[in-house]
Amino acid sequence: ETGVTQTPRHLVMGMTNKKSLKCEQHLGHNAMYWYKQSAKKPLELMFVYNFKEQTENNSVPSRFSPECPNSSHLFLHLHTLQPEDSALYLCASSPPGLGVEKLFFGSGTQLSVL
Amino acid sequence: AQTVTQSQPEMSVQEAETVTLSCTYDTSESNYYLFWYKQPPSRQMILVIRQEAYKQQNATENRFSVNFQKAAKSFSLKISDSQLGDTAMYFCAFMRAFTGNQFYFGTGTSLTVIP
Repeated sequence: ETGVTQTPRHLVMGMTNKKSLKCEQHLGHNAMYWYKQSAKKPLELMFVYNFKEQTENNSVPSRFSPECPNSSHLFLHLHTLQPEDSALYLCASSPPGLGVEKLFFGSGTQLSVL
Repeated sequence: AQTVTQSQPEMSVQEAETVTLSCTYDTSESNYYLFWYKQPPSRQMILVIRQEAYKQQNATENRFSVNFQKAAKSFSLKISDSQLGDTAMYFCAFMRAFTGNQFYFGTGTSLTVIP
């Protein structure tokens, strides 16, 4: 158990639906991330938040909208998704400071877009 | 840009045997970190081992060890005495030092330990 919790574990949605993914950590980490994991592809970094401020947005379509209300919570709001957005969405966090660089991952949300 | 390549999509090993997973990376940086992450069927990725590029000594964690060849930009993972619980996807990852939180991952190697 890494201390990073994601909900829901599975999500099926139609292309016109609006849903949200939730990530939570109480590890005292200052950075939180959203990654997309598709088969046979490297993990794709979507968004990075440092101390609640978005510091990375890797050309992610606007149908994905992140929100970080505080350092412990991260959301990914989804609307009008496409079937190719079906994937495992992983949340991760990392601690502050040098010498401790590593990611702590959640179990992911398996998203299916119909 | 940094790239990480894992050329073995799938591997298998007999229980109690040793297996080596390959990883190469491309960077012009001299200070960086390398990682191996394990993703079991539960999907939660767990750090297996971490290597600082400035350290010549290869990292080890119990049955897991790496062969870090900086000049060749190679970072292989050796699993000794393989156990059924080692069955998982293994991802190699790279991070530049002192640049914040940008991690780069490979495509993964699916390892099956056969009883």
